[in-house]
Amino acid sequence: ETGVTQTPRHLVMGMTNKKSLKCEQHLGHNAMYWYKQSAKKPLELMFVYSLEERVENNSVPSRFSPECPNSSHLFLHLHTLQPEDSALYLCASSQDLPGAGVNQPQHFGDGTRLSIL
Amino acid sequence: DQQVKQNSPSLSVQEGRISILNCDYTNSMFDYFLWYKKYPAEGPTFLISISSIKDKNEDGRFTVFLNKSAKHLSLHIVPSQPGDSAVYFCAASASPGTYKYIFGTGTRLKVLA
Repeated sequence: ETGVTQTPRHLVMGMTNKKSLKCEQHLGHNAMYWYKQSAKKPLELMFVYSLEERVENNSVPSRFSPECPNSSHLFLHLHTLQPEDSALYLCASSQDLPGAGVNQPQHFGDGTRLSIL
Repeated sequence: DQQVKQNSPSLSVQEGRISILNCDYTNSMFDYFLWYKKYPAEGPTFLISISSIKDKNEDGRFTVFLNKSAKHLSLHIVPSQPGDSAVYFCAASASPGTYKYIFGTGTRLKVLA
């Protein structure tokens, strides 16, 4: 039990579908993140939110749209994805942003394995 | 350009012996380093960290060493146990003003019983 819950765990979708990934953290953290992990590549930061405000959009295509309605919930809305978007999508949270004066680790969810047909 | 590199994709160690996982970085602004462990079908789990003001941090069987002049850190696990078999990622961040942890590609450790 990591305190960060992601749903669904697995998702198969066609390129024209619209779906959403959900992340919920029960740790009282202020910062939340979306990462993409492709095979044999490092974790790739996609989006960062701090206190529900987006602070980083790491050159992610617009077919990925994040939403942070409150500090406990983070969504990733998916629309007209491409086969190369098939990957493991990980959500993470931390007490505050890195560099906020206190060093702290991120806590990860178990990820959503996304397959684009 | 990869700022955090784990050059060994895999490592096998006998149970009871020491496991040493290595990580190199290129950005001299990094001042906080972390190790994560990942089992299949689970997210990464935080293991241990070190600030750049230290050169060693120990937590039970796990010790992280930081060599700033060589831009190198290592994770020592002793004694290694079969349950330690997992993928280990190192990560680094720089402060102030950045929001990123930069991750390596991971090293798969297999501890043989």
